[in-house]
Amino acid sequence: GESVGLHLPTLSVQEGDNSIINCAYSNSASDYFIWYKQESGKGPQFIIDIRSNMDKRQGQRVTVLLNKTVKHLSLQIAATQPGDSAVYFCAEILSSGGSYIPTFGRGTSLIVHP
Amino acid sequence: DAGVIQSPRHEVTEMGQEVTLRCKPISGHNSLFWYRQTMMRGLELLIYFNNNVPIDDSGMPEDRFSAKMPNASFSTLKIQPSEPRDSAVYFCASSHRDREHGYTFGSGTRLTVV
Repeated sequence: GESVGLHLPTLSVQEGDNSIINCAYSNSASDYFIWYKQESGKGPQFIIDIRSNMDKRQGQRVTVLLNKTVKHLSLQIAATQPGDSAVYFCAEILSSGGSYIPTFGRGTSLIVHP
Repeated sequence: DAGVIQSPRHEVTEMGQEVTLRCKPISGHNSLFWYRQTMMRGLELLIYFNNNVPIDDSGMPEDRFSAKMPNASFSTLKIQPSEPRDSAVYFCASSHRDREHGYTFGSGTRLTVV
């Protein structure tokens, strides 16, 4: 029979609106978190990161919030633009033997309508 | 810096054939990771190397998969024999173990096994 892929959660917004993408992580011992953006046909690209001893970090048009109590991350994009359309992944990172091993979430597809 | 370079970008092969994917990490990065991405499973870590030594290959799905890193500037992921269910996008990423955010992905190899 036909194999059906799991559909990614999708967020559709109008250009100029603010976007909020959410992510639940699994390991309370994770000490570092990264948001990645993946455009069609490309590899994931780093957007912003946050350490577990912080609860908020701001970049250019993006803000990441971390709530360790409920193991939740969010990515806020201000004044969303069509070029922001992509799949966004959060990654939790646990240091292991000196290496930083990211575990990725399923991703959220952001669609920005002009 | 040219970033992480993967080749080929696309590979179409017949079931049973051997497939070799190649990766050149960023110069100076001493950790290298191979990921597989599918709609069903998202991004899965297959194997990672520190200083050219395989550290964890628990994500390698079967004995048909093998990875090598003969030197700091080159790694291969080989599938032999290939099967249709191996069809996916395979990403290589590299990082410096002392700088978490320097975790950079290549553009990926889209593998189709028919």
